[in-house]
Amino acid sequence: ELKVEQNPLFLSMQEGKNYTIYCNYSTTSDRLYWYRQDPGKSLESLFVLLSNGAVKQEGRLMASLDTKARLSTLHITAAVHDLSATYFCAVDVRYGNKLVFGAGTILRVKS
Amino acid sequence: DSGVTQTPKHLITATGQRVTLRCSPRSGDLSVYWYQQSLDQGLQFLIQYYNGEERAKGNILERFSAQQFPDLHSELNLSSLELGDSALYFCASSPLGDSYEQYFGPGTRLTVT
Repeated sequence: ELKVEQNPLFLSMQEGKNYTIYCNYSTTSDRLYWYRQDPGKSLESLFVLLSNGAVKQEGRLMASLDTKARLSTLHITAAVHDLSATYFCAVDVRYGNKLVFGAGTILRVKS
Repeated sequence: DSGVTQTPKHLITATGQRVTLRCSPRSGDLSVYWYQQSLDQGLQFLIQYYNGEERAKGNILERFSAQQFPDLHSELNLSSLELGDSALYFCASSPLGDSYEQYFGPGTRLTVT
């Protein structure tokens, strides 16, 4: 059974600092997704990573995928308060049929 | 706004009752997925329908059932409700049965008292 682990589960950062969220998964997959969720809201798609070595950047967020290590990272550069949210990684088990989510990382950016 | 709609937004009901959650996918999307988000279990995949047929099943209880209608909207039926069924239920849609991006609706918050 596929397991997806995120760490840390809670991250409190100062504005302007950099940090990385890690997502490990237990079985082979080459489709990994990052979502953002604000409190009480839906999930917003951030990145779709479809192959080994994929790197995508949007603003202060950059995501990468290493399928051999079964690891994805979400790097935050020069954090701002607006990035405060919960971030989920999800791995596609059967290519579009089922997403298995990590527990989520609660990010709080303090000014 | 993802284009996926869900009704109702909130639902409060009592144990033992039955409720129906409704989802309308984005225009043109053939697949609908249902997820449950709770503090205990996190985000869990329940079931997928593609063009009216069940395509994949996850951790869906026997008390729960779903269907997708010819107009592609989907309903999730939850019966014999228990306190532990209180959760946020999301619907997502994608263009095909094997698509790499799912678009999530706003969710239905179910509270069982």
